[in-house]
Amino acid sequence: GAGVSQSPSNKVTEKGKDVELRCDPISGHTALYWYRQSLGQGLEFLIYFQGNSAPDKSGLPSDRFSAERTGGSVSTLTIQRTQQEDSAVYLCASTLQLTDGYTFGSGTRLTVV
Amino acid sequence: GESVGLHLPTLSVQEGDNSIINCAYSNSASDYFIWYKQESGKGPQFIIDIRSNMDKRQGQRVTVLLNKTVKHLSLQIAATQPGDSAVYFCAEKSYNQGGKLIFGQGTELSVKP
Repeated sequence: GAGVSQSPSNKVTEKGKDVELRCDPISGHTALYWYRQSLGQGLEFLIYFQGNSAPDKSGLPSDRFSAERTGGSVSTLTIQRTQQEDSAVYLCASTLQLTDGYTFGSGTRLTVV
Repeated sequence: GESVGLHLPTLSVQEGDNSIINCAYSNSASDYFIWYKQESGKGPQFIIDIRSNMDKRQGQRVTVLLNKTVKHLSLQIAATQPGDSAVYFCAEKSYNQGGKLIFGQGTELSVKP
């Protein structure tokens, strides 16, 4: 597509429920990144995928967080047993070259109540 | 650990004036630097980037300066307009770390008419 697409744009969930966030990167972009942005804060790296290489999961805050990327394109970030501190905007980005910057999506605003 | 930080959390300027947003980084091995603009409710938007073999790069109304000696990055916006009001993030990466951008906390730029 023309840009990075994320869905849903907003998600309200009850504490303890699982959620799935979706990211459609720009067509042909081999690298895909997930970041988390808490209110008024910077961007916290979560995980990144590059081609067929093993993902870099070094930023995932706990084992409740996982992500997958199917067919080298769409990615899903899953948060199990959500907690209130998981409330944030989850941003996805993609890039063609690792030596370049990213193109970001508009994010999914997750609210855990 | 490595970090990228901003000197000032907020900056208020008069419309038409020039703005300067500063950023300090700690990783002397960083290869690439980038500035993003984030408006409320949107994902970060690319403004300008610079590689470590350069010390200055100009775009339309924007200039990025890189001082590797003191590990300092700045973004200059000429003739600041109300549409420039946003949060500005600097970020850096080392190519040998897989293309992962490390972000600073952000500076909020407010333009007074």
